[in-house]
Amino acid sequence: GQNIDQPTEMTATEGAIVQINCTYQTSGFNGLFWYQQHAGEAPTFLSYNVLDGLEEKGRFSSFLSRSKGYSYLLLKELQMKDSASYLCAVMDSNYQLIWGAGTKLIIKP
Amino acid sequence: TAGITQAPTSQILAAGRSMTLRCTQDMRHNAMYWYRQDLGLGLRLIHYSNTAGTTGKGEVPDGYSVSRANTDDFPLTLASAVPSQTSVYFCASSDSSGGMYEQFFGPGTRLTVL
Repeated sequence: GQNIDQPTEMTATEGAIVQINCTYQTSGFNGLFWYQQHAGEAPTFLSYNVLDGLEEKGRFSSFLSRSKGYSYLLLKELQMKDSASYLCAVMDSNYQLIWGAGTKLIIKP
Repeated sequence: TAGITQAPTSQILAAGRSMTLRCTQDMRHNAMYWYRQDLGLGLRLIHYSNTAGTTGKGEVPDGYSVSRANTDDFPLTLASAVPSQTSVYFCASSDSSGGMYEQFFGPGTRLTVL
């Protein structure tokens, strides 16, 4: 079967760095996405990795290792507005997204 | 630019009644999707459409139907609602014809079936 695993909840301090991990087992791989979802709102796109390595975009970076079935999202200089759920999703061989349950990130002052 | 709109924002529905959730996009995206999101679970694909005139079943299609008469609209119909269909429903679209698979989401419809 297809499976995406990520921690249910994480807590971090304002100004710090946090790494959210995602492991996956899917039928085929056509890229991995990270989305941010604030409570009561729609998911919004953060990053897309299809090749191994690190993609940096401002305070957010995303890493992919296809051989290990592993990705992480790195958030630097945390701000209170970063409190949200972070969703990992893998595009399978049919170009459909398989979603993890999301990691709720709590930022404390 | 509105992007994707959904209606209604929320709805309480009696079990056994039918309902259509509306979704409209103005980005001329070829592909559209319907997901449901339940607490503790990832987004689950209900139905999708890769282009106007075609539809396909996702992971959890039972009890739902869709149509794609044109590029912009992708309504989701519950023929006879059951309490297990209580959920938040998100419509999304993507321009997969250009090799860009990023999905854009509407604001969601919160449905309660009693």
